[in-house]
Amino acid sequence: DAGVTQSPTHLIKTRGQQVTLRCSPISGHKSVSWYQQVLGQGPQFIFQYYEKEERGRGNFPDRFSARQFPNYSSELNVNALLLGDSALYLCASSVGLALNTGELFFGEGSRLTVL
Amino acid sequence: AQSVTQLDSHVSVSEGTPVLLRCNYSSSYSPSLFWYVQHPNKGLQLLLKYTSAATLVKGINGFEAEFKKSETSFHLTKPSAHMSDAAEYFCVVRILTGGGNKLTFGTGTQLKVEL
Repeated sequence: DAGVTQSPTHLIKTRGQQVTLRCSPISGHKSVSWYQQVLGQGPQFIFQYYEKEERGRGNFPDRFSARQFPNYSSELNVNALLLGDSALYLCASSVGLALNTGELFFGEGSRLTVL
Repeated sequence: AQSVTQLDSHVSVSEGTPVLLRCNYSSSYSPSLFWYVQHPNKGLQLLLKYTSAATLVKGINGFEAEFKKSETSFHLTKPSAHMSDAAEYFCVVRILTGGGNKLTFGTGTQLKVEL
C-alpha cells in the first residue's frame, strides 16, 4: 500500500514568490497535518485538517494557508516567500484525529529552498 | 505548557554496545509521548508510543522506552546498537488543540554508530 506521498520533492523559489505543496494521505486516512522542519531543528506544527475543516493551527503567519479536498488530499500554500521559509515541509496523515493514539504517518517531505 | 527536552544533541556509540537517548518532559497532566526516527532524506517513522498504559514500552527494531513520572523522563534505549540505527531521533509529546491535536518535537538527538 502506498504511504503518504508529497510533491514536489524539491523546489527552488525566490523571495516574494508563492509556492504550493501537495500531499496525498494513506488510503482511508481522513486527517492531514503539515509540519515545517528547518535544518537542524525538530519539525514544527503548521496545520491540521480533518474532513476538510481546519482543526488546528500553529504559530505561523497568515502567509501560510492550507486546504483539504473531498478526496482528503491537501495543499499547503505559502505566499510572499522569505529566506527563512527554506525548510523541509512534512505532511502526515492519520485515520481520524488520532486523539487517542496520536500516531501520525509521515511522508518524505518537500524540500523548499528560497533564494 | 507541555514540552519535551532532549538532553543530548549528539550521541556516539560503538556497534554492539547499548544505546541511551535521554528525554525529559514537562506536562501538567499525563502526557502522550512518542519517539520518532528520521533517517537521512527520509520521512519520520514512529518507533514507539506511551499513552498511559504500561510504563515500559517496546517499539520496533529492538528499541524500548520507560515512562518515569517521578523523574519526568522518557528515555529511549536499545541493548545493542546496529549500524543501521544511525539516524536522528526525536522525542515528541502530543498536545490537544481546540478541535484536534498536534505533535511537539524535541530538538533531536543525532545517533552515530561506529564500528
